[in-house]
Parts: sequence; structure tokens; C-alpha cells
Amino acid sequence: DTGVSQDPRHKITKRGQNVTFRCDPISEHNRLYWYRQTLGQGPEFLTYFQNEAQLEKSRLLSDRFSAERPKGSFSTLEIQRTEQGDSAMYLCASSPSEGSKAYEQYFGPGTRLTVT
Amino acid sequence: AQSVAQPEDQVNVAEGNPLTVKCTYSVSGNPYLFWYVQYPNRGLQFLLKYITGDNLVKGSYGFEAEFNKSQTSFHLKKPSALVSDSALYVCAVRVYSGAGSYQLTFGKGTKLSVIP
Repeated sequence: DTGVSQDPRHKITKRGQNVTFRCDPISEHNRLYWYRQTLGQGPEFLTYFQNEAQLEKSRLLSDRFSAERPKGSFSTLEIQRTEQGDSAMYLCASSPSEGSKAYEQYFGPGTRLTVT
Repeated sequence: AQSVAQPEDQVNVAEGNPLTVKCTYSVSGNPYLFWYVQYPNRGLQFLLKYITGDNLVKGSYGFEAEFNKSQTSFHLKKPSALVSDSALYVCAVRVYSGAGSYQLTFGKGTKLSVIP
């Protein structure tokens, strides 16, 4: 069990550019979640997948944001035409959908995005 | 509205003293409650959860939490604080988000500082 990994750990981009983040969940977990966390706040839910199906999207997720999990393994989160307000830590988490740990989400280290 | 609140932004405690980090919740139905810890530049780490059963839940690193239904609280406790416990502690509750889906709603976190 290597844990949830995210890449890159840090990203600095200019306003208007597109960025893409990757998340690799724990291999046996079929649920994958994306959150955004700003300084001094708890994580805010963005979206989640069960296998390759995107089951829910928060209203925080504007049409500039898109997430995919094409083969039910890793996931990508893309932000188009970045704005300074997008600067935040983007967290990925995974969990199983069954069993005693079904309600436990395991988080990656996050990708810190800075939009200049 | 279904939510979780952490009334203290910061808690300071002397090393060796007992610590308490407070969390209250507001959900319909039976609550599923969680505590996570976040060290600087790291993702959230699962500490413990309450689903059902005993009101006192034991978790990682010597932490425990007490579920109190009448007070709608789920305070995190440790009998003897260590300097290495200094971190951000985040409480979460599972909320129903519609169409058979449940999500975690997080508090804003409480920064714990253990003073040597």
C-alpha cells in the first residue's frame, strides 16, 4: 500500500493558462474524491468518482474545471483559463466502497496551485 | 443545513497536559463523524471515526473522541499531549448530498500547538 499520490506537488502558473493535476489512488480503492482547500479552511468537496463514473460535482466546480478517471484508476483534474481565485491546495482522496473502511477517505499530499 | 463546526481556531496546551479539540455537528439522521490531522505541507491523515456503537472511540497516536448525541458533539481528546501532536485537526461529518450520495463536510480546522 503506497498511499495516494499526487503530481505535481506544486504548480505556479500565469492567469489564463490551463493546468492539469494527476491523482493515483490506493490501488484497491474504487472511490476517488477531489477537494480544494484554502488557507485556514477545511477541504471543500469538488467531485467524486466510483470507478470511472463521475457521480457528483459540487456547484463550486465551474465549467472551467473538469475531472476524468478514464480507466477507473488514476484521475486528472484540469482547470482551464486559471484565475487568481483558483490558487489553493487541491487534495485527492480515495476510499473503498464496501467493508469496514468504506467511510474512511485516505488523502494524498495535495497539489498547491499558485496563479500569478 | 448539514454542517460541522469547530469553534476554536487555535488551542494551546502544555506538553504532558490533557488536550481537547472541540467539534459540533448538525445533520439529519444518525451522524457518521471523523477526525483528521494535517501536518504542514502534508495531506490529511485519518485519525478515527464514529459510525455506531460505543460513544468513546479510540484512534491513532493515542487520540480518542467522545460522541455525545444530546450535545451533538464529537470532541477529540488525548490524555497527555506531545510536542509532535502540534498540527491542524479537522472534524468531518458525512452528509447526504442527494440521489443516494453521501459526502464529507469538513470543519475549518483547529490549530493545536503543544508547548514544551
